[in-house]
Amino acid sequence: DGGITQSPKYLFRKEGQNVTLSCEQNLNHDAMYWYRQDPGQGLRLIYYSQIVNDFQKGDIAEGYSVSREKKESFPLTVTSAQKNPTAFYLCASSIDGGQISNQPQHFGDGTRLSIL
Amino acid sequence: SQQGEEDPQALSIQEGENATMNCSYKTSINNLQWYRQNSGRGLVHLILIRSNEREKHSGRLRVTLDTSKKSSSLLITASRAADTASYFCATDSTSGSRLTFGEGTQLTVNP
Repeated sequence: DGGITQSPKYLFRKEGQNVTLSCEQNLNHDAMYWYRQDPGQGLRLIYYSQIVNDFQKGDIAEGYSVSREKKESFPLTVTSAQKNPTAFYLCASSIDGGQISNQPQHFGDGTRLSIL
Repeated sequence: SQQGEEDPQALSIQEGENATMNCSYKTSINNLQWYRQNSGRGLVHLILIRSNEREKHSGRLRVTLDTSKKSSSLLITASRAADTASYFCATDSTSGSRLTFGEGTQLTVNP
């Protein structure tokens, strides 16, 4: 069954700690994305990757880092520099990295990150 | 700044009624997409409408696009309790490099 798997579902971060959120897809999609969603709000783009070994900053990249070493994986690290990390994080993918806005995005079920 | 803005923020209707949600945007677009999000879950793509299209249907969903008014609407006919969710519009930039999501309409369908 093809799809996007995000893990863990819930994550807690201590002060000064980096944490990594996992995103894996078996859809053979070229493009992958990370979004942040705060309560009652829309999605804001953190980073996106149109092809393996390449990624671009989104609108709120400060305090986050990503890697795209494999087509199926796009992990997000929330660093200690991100002072307000409590949010719902969503990973998505789309089939073609060329014209991103021309395609539907497929989403995982999210990771909820909280501060201890 | 957010490109798409949904209206109303919240909508409560009875089962069987129609639900209409609106999306307005500020700058020219190539495409507009509608998504649905159940509580605590990821988004699910519903419909993509291109700037040269005026209307699109998918089952009980009807989407319209008026580029002169920079607005779109999503109509759900004969609503069901299972339609309870948040609905988001997403617009692209003319470069096509990303989508920008609105803040969503929270729809509640009462049985």
